[in-house]
Amino acid sequence: DIVMTQTPLSLSVTPGQPASISCKSSQSLLHSDGKTYLYWYLQKPGQPPQLLIYEVSNRFSGVPDRFSGSGSGTDFTLKISRVEAEDVGVYYCMQSIQLPRYTFGQGTKLEIK
Amino acid sequence: QVQLQESGPGLVKPSQTLSLTCTVSGGSISSGSYYWSWIRQPAGKGLEWIGRIYTSGSTNYNPSLKSRVTISVDTSKNQFSLKLSSVTAADTAVYYCARVSVEVAGTFDYWGQGTLVTVSS
Repeated sequence: DIVMTQTPLSLSVTPGQPASISCKSSQSLLHSDGKTYLYWYLQKPGQPPQLLIYEVSNRFSGVPDRFSGSGSGTDFTLKISRVEAEDVGVYYCMQSIQLPRYTFGQGTKLEIK
Repeated sequence: QVQLQESGPGLVKPSQTLSLTCTVSGGSISSGSYYWSWIRQPAGKGLEWIGRIYTSGSTNYNPSLKSRVTISVDTSKNQFSLKLSSVTAADTAVYYCARVSVEVAGTFDYWGQGTLVTVSS
């Protein structure tokens, strides 16, 4: 099974400042079809998760451009260029290369200072 | 706008079977573009994918739960269901249903609000 490891597990950020979350997978998420199956989700308090980024760096519909994803192989990063109050919640990375089993990271809790 | 809504008992006794239904509105469950999934989240913990079903009835399950899970679909009612047998306290969690794209493999784009299921006598 592919293990997804996120760091840090929590971070506290001043509004307007950047934030960065790392996600490492135990195996490469690069598929033979050329796609890399790494996703980012945000779970706001009391809500189900919502998709932010698909296939490493593609913002889902309606996601603000302050969110960006990067990385390759086994190392990935989610960056928020300027954190806003509405960004609080738990961020999860997820892999789908090892289908049909989707696996999530442990989550990173973002708080506002 | 697609909406998903979970329903079912909020309390299940140990060793019994947990049964939940997800009703889809605003779109057809028979669309060939999506799988329909169940995901759960114990309180204060992370997300665990349980399984998925295609409109044809083809299923895939998390190997760690496979022996206890059954997911089925009722296209006439635009619903899909989850059964988890022989439950224990470790199965206490919020259970979400979600839609996931066939073409873009990991895009769970619509989720239900979740339903808390507690396993207790």
